[in-house]
Formats: sequence, structure tokens, C-alpha cells
Amino acid sequence: SQTIHQWPATLVQPVGSPLSLECTVEGTSNPNLYWYRQAAGRGLQLLFYSVGIGQISSEVPQNLSASRPQDRQFILSSKKLLLSDSGFYLCAWSPGTQNTEAFFGQGTRLTVV
Amino acid sequence: QQQVKQSPQSLIVQKGGISIINCAYENTAFDYFPWYQQFPGKGPALLIAIRPDVSEKKEGRFTISFNKSAKQFSLHIMDSQPGDSATYFCAASIHGYQKVTFGIGTKLQVIP
Repeated sequence: SQTIHQWPATLVQPVGSPLSLECTVEGTSNPNLYWYRQAAGRGLQLLFYSVGIGQISSEVPQNLSASRPQDRQFILSSKKLLLSDSGFYLCAWSPGTQNTEAFFGQGTRLTVV
Repeated sequence: QQQVKQSPQSLIVQKGGISIINCAYENTAFDYFPWYQQFPGKGPALLIAIRPDVSEKKEGRFTISFNKSAKQFSLHIMDSQPGDSATYFCAASIHGYQKVTFGIGTKLQVIP
């Protein structure tokens, strides 16, 4: 069966510090991968998605970047965090061959102080 | 541009009542409509899904009703329980297309 791992679960970082959130998927190959952000009480905002290694599409201009160094690894990064980067970050995957539903990780609660 | 409009954004229902969440979409190319349930501090989890070739799908207390001509679909939770208290997202996707489009979410509270 497929599983998705996302870490860390919580993170408190000072303004101006770098960020690296990692997500890995097991039990499938060539998945579509996604990073979402969810502000408090708000919906899911798609930040990045990837259909293959090194292929990243950005949905919203922002202070963040994403990379996919391996087929089942997706990384969300920032060189300098802003207060507005605080939120709940979710990694998700969907089957690469037939996009139906997305399967989510448990999320990372990021607080920028 | 919000391609999937979800309402209401919050809902309070008494235990045993029916919770109804509505969604409307614009893109007629959507061909898969999943619903997600999210508990606080957790990632959303797939609850139930429907394709536009059926008008209704039921799984336990959860039912999706789908109206293709009106481009609307809804989630009904029968005999709502306090454990159903969560945020619910409707979504839509297109076969072969990479992105799933989500509604804004409905925070459901079931009170005893």
C-alpha cells in the first residue's frame, strides 16, 4: 500500500531563517506531488505541483520554492522566512497515470516568529 | 479564480440531524468529484467520491448527490454525530490533468 511521510510535524522558525520541509511517498512510482498551504480557518491553497523529477510548477508567486530531486521526494524550501509564511503545510500525492483523488500527509505546522 | 464554490463555510447541526454541504463547479471538463474530511491538526482524508455518470452515491451515513445539468453536487451526512465534527472539502479533478481543485471548506460542528 502507498504511504506518504511528511516532516517535521511542527516547526517554529525566526523571521529570516531558511526552511526545508520534506515529503516522501512509498509504494508507488511516478506520482504527481503537491505542496499545499492552509492558513488558519481557510481552504487549501496549492503552492507547487510536480509531475516528474525536476519538473516543478508554481501556482502562486511567493517566498517559497520546491524541488523534486528523486521520484518520490518533494521538498519545500525558503531562503528567508517571512511572518506571512506561517501556516499548515500539506504534502500530497496522486497517481501519475490517472489523476483522481489526492492523498495527503499529516502536515507541518509552521510558525514564523 | 475559484472553480469550485462551496457553501456554507460553517455549519452547526444537532446530533442526529442531517448535515448538508453544497458545491458548484464551472468547468464541465471535471469528471471526478471527491470529498475530504479533515480533523484539526491532520491532513485531509478522502471520504467519498463520485463520477458524473451517477446521480447519487451512498457509503454508510454519507451520501453524495450529483446534478450534472446544474453543475452542482452535495454531501449529506445522515444522523450526524459529534465525531463527524471536522472540516469538509469538496473537490473536482479532470482525468489526466495534474491538479485537484478544492472548495474553500466547510467547518462542521455537531452538538450533542
